[in-house]
Amino acid sequence: GDSVTQMEGPVTLSEEAFLTINCTYTATGYPSLFWYVQYPGEGLQLLLKATKADDKGSNKGFEATYRKETTSFHLEKGSVQVSDSAVYFCALNGNDYKLSFGAGTTVTVRA
Amino acid sequence: GAGVSQSPSNKVTEKGKDVELRCDPISGHTALYWYRQSLGQGLEFLIYFQGNSAPDKSGLPSDRFSAERTGGSVSTLTIQRTQQEDSAVYLCASSPGGAVRDEQFFGPGTRLTVL
Repeated sequence: GDSVTQMEGPVTLSEEAFLTINCTYTATGYPSLFWYVQYPGEGLQLLLKATKADDKGSNKGFEATYRKETTSFHLEKGSVQVSDSAVYFCALNGNDYKLSFGAGTTVTVRA
Repeated sequence: GAGVSQSPSNKVTEKGKDVELRCDPISGHTALYWYRQSLGQGLEFLIYFQGNSAPDKSGLPSDRFSAERTGGSVSTLTIQRTQQEDSAVYLCASSPGGAVRDEQFFGPGTRLTVL
């Protein structure tokens, strides 16, 4: 079945540092890939998505590229802020409508 | 506009009691999903409703769990004879049409604690 593996963390960074969270997946066919973010005390929000190979999703300075050859969708941000502290989830939607999530990565950014 | 809303936000119950969790999806969204977020299992799919079609219940962990969606809008997730392992955050999401590429919009969740 479909599955997602992501770096579990926790990850602690200083402001303006570079962030990368690795995500790899297993799926049949051509899944859509997502990064969701959960800020403290809030619900899950879509951060970015990519629906086909080589697509790059981007939002709020975050980027991720759908790499079919390496079955990866790594999340990156060049300069993090304290407000980026959150839990980040990589997810895929394969041939059906169910999202399969990674375990989540807790990111803490220190001022 | 209004997002997905869920109630209650927190529920504490005793083992063996029944609980009902409510979800109000975004107006006009035909697809509705329930997920569970727990420490041991991460985020798991529970059930999916799309329009008037029969729901996909393949993710429900036991027959103590059931869900219904009335009038194609509000949904209720019911857990009978709750057990301590049912303690989790129950998340509801909706999407415009249920397509694979649709964004699913999540509610804030209901935190269930079974004592």
